[in-house]
Amino acid sequence: SQQGEEDPQALSIQEGENATMNCSYKTSINNLQWYRQNSGRGLVHLILIRSNEREKHSGRLRVTLDTSKKSSSLLITASRAADTASYFCATDARDDYKLSFGAGTTVTVRA
Amino acid sequence: EAQVTQNPRYLITVTGKKLTVTCSQNMNHEYMSWYRQDPGLGLRQIYYSMNVEVTDKGDVPEGYKVSRKEKRNFPLILESPSPNQTSLYFCASSPRSGANVLTFGAGSRLTVL
Repeated sequence: SQQGEEDPQALSIQEGENATMNCSYKTSINNLQWYRQNSGRGLVHLILIRSNEREKHSGRLRVTLDTSKKSSSLLITASRAADTASYFCATDARDDYKLSFGAGTTVTVRA
Repeated sequence: EAQVTQNPRYLITVTGKKLTVTCSQNMNHEYMSWYRQDPGLGLRQIYYSMNVEVTDKGDVPEGYKVSRKEKRNFPLILESPSPNQTSLYFCASSPRSGANVLTFGAGSRLTVL
């Protein structure tokens, strides 16, 4: 079953702006990951945040995790055209060894 | 290069004609998984394998079979494909199950007429 739900479904921004997307999930998790998918291609891992972490950075990416609200956010700062892609959160539930993906947020960065 | 290789990348077939999508990884990963991706539904897990000879159903296993006879290979078998199996399929692997990063293949786009 789908655990994570991304919001918004689609986002269009100007190059240089920041992009923020959110992920909500239903059950307690061990970890939450974010992946990027360029049109029709395989997903690429961006960042993993553990349930005992609140914030993590990787380059222009900032991920937060609020386990009390069962939600996470991904912020891409100073966006570039190359950031145009779909972004998925994936959760690893406490009592399950499966990684469940949400439906994704499609980000378009306009030049 | 560390990678997950899927074949074929594109396939058009007809209802009922058995087909196999192969998946191979060269990273000695224990965990392998198949997903299908459909518009608006994201990725849904079909089957996964935690190690050789250990496979289990995901969320949408109906109409699919898998096997894991060797660590590196995890083929997806459609015994009698139907049009509702038209989809984009991804194989992925990780060192082990649980809190691990998945490495994805490039995808196999299957059309069943």
